[in-house]
Amino acid sequence: GENVEQHPSTLSVQEGDSAVIKCTYSDSASNYFPWYKQELGKRPQLIIDIRSNVGEKKDQRIAVTLNKTAKHFSLHITETQPEDSAVYFCAARGYSGAGSYQLTFGKGTKLSVIP
Amino acid sequence: GAGVSQSPSNKVTEKGKDVELRCDPISGHTALYWYRQSLGQGLEFLIYFQGNSAPDKSGLPSDRFSAERTGGSVSTLTIQRTQQEDSAVYLCASARGLSTYEQYFGPGTRLTVT
Repeated sequence: GENVEQHPSTLSVQEGDSAVIKCTYSDSASNYFPWYKQELGKRPQLIIDIRSNVGEKKDQRIAVTLNKTAKHFSLHITETQPEDSAVYFCAARGYSGAGSYQLTFGKGTKLSVIP
Repeated sequence: GAGVSQSPSNKVTEKGKDVELRCDPISGHTALYWYRQSLGQGLEFLIYFQGNSAPDKSGLPSDRFSAERTGGSVSTLTIQRTQQEDSAVYLCASARGLSTYEQYFGPGTRLTVT
């Protein structure tokens, strides 16, 4: 099955600086890569996603890049703000081995934005 | 509109007891997923329902875990003879359908087995 590695596990940045979180995946057939933001005690919220036919996608201060050859994708947050502080999860949609496609999640990155 | 809802929000049970966790997906969403999130960990896939098709149970960790989805809407995750290692947050997510990949999560049920 799919295996997703996420780095770093913790990240501290000064307010206004950029933050980058990287993920690698193992299944070359994976075709969808979402990023979720989870604040303490809250549900994961989808913040951006990318499909395998696209190399980059941007939404205001957030962007995701995908390198299918290297099987890695990254989340970029520019001009970070304190409210960006949360745990971020990447995921890859691959075959479960039991007849359907599922999301496999990374272990998360705790981002702290220091005012 | 209303998002995914789950109940109860918190559940404390004694080791060996059975528990039922409920999920109400977004109206019209045909796909429903259950995940488990242990402390400080990512989300672990448990089971997937799509319409009236047979569910994908490949993520269930043991035969103590089972799930049903009645009428293509509400789902119940049942854990029998709970163990301390079952303590986690159980999250439900729904998606519009087969060709729509975006999943929307409920608030989760925090299960504590004492």
